[in-house]
Amino acid sequence: AQSVTQLGSHVSVSEGALVLLRCNYSSSVPPYLFWYVQYPNQGLQLLLKYTSAATLVKGINGFEAEFKKSETSFHLTKPSAHMSDAAEYFCAVTDGGATNKLIFGTGTLLAVQP
Amino acid sequence: GAGVSQTPSNKVTEKGKYVELRCDPISGHTALYWYRQSLGQGPEFLIYFQGTGAADDSGLPNDRFFAVRPEGSVSTLKIQRTERGDSAVYLCASSSRGGEETQYFGPGTRLLVL
Repeated sequence: AQSVTQLGSHVSVSEGALVLLRCNYSSSVPPYLFWYVQYPNQGLQLLLKYTSAATLVKGINGFEAEFKKSETSFHLTKPSAHMSDAAEYFCAVTDGGATNKLIFGTGTLLAVQP
Repeated sequence: GAGVSQTPSNKVTEKGKYVELRCDPISGHTALYWYRQSLGQGPEFLIYFQGTGAADDSGLPNDRFFAVRPEGSVSTLKIQRTERGDSAVYLCASSSRGGEETQYFGPGTRLLVL
């Protein structure tokens, strides 16, 4: 069964610093991969998704992620953090079955310090 | 256009009571998913509809949980004899066809069972 591991439940960066949120998946078959962001008391908003096209995926708000099959990773980065980036970030993978339901990681809470 | 909407936004009930949670998907989306998000966790899949039929209900925790989508649009998640452990945020998502198509999430219903 598919699983997703997000290393670091809490990440704190300074405003203007690089953001790196880690995600590893378990799969022998390249899956579809997603990053979602969740602001307090709101639903999940799609940041970006990988569907076997380009390995470097650009998303909204300056975020991007690189699919590395050899490392089974899909880490999320942003060159310069803004205060408005403070939120919880979830990596997700499709389960590979007919449903393609999403399997989520446990999330990483990003804090941005002034 | 309008996104996925869910009602109520908050629901407080007593142990043993029956609750219904409603989801209005994006117009024209044939695929609809329910997820449950417990505190500090990522969302977990409950059930998937393609049109009117439940194509995958493997995530429903037990027979107290049931969901319907009688006309292929609005869906209702029903929980009988609620337990304190049912307290969570219930998220609904829809996509145009299912499969690898992006799932768009609603704001969720926060259920508290006292």
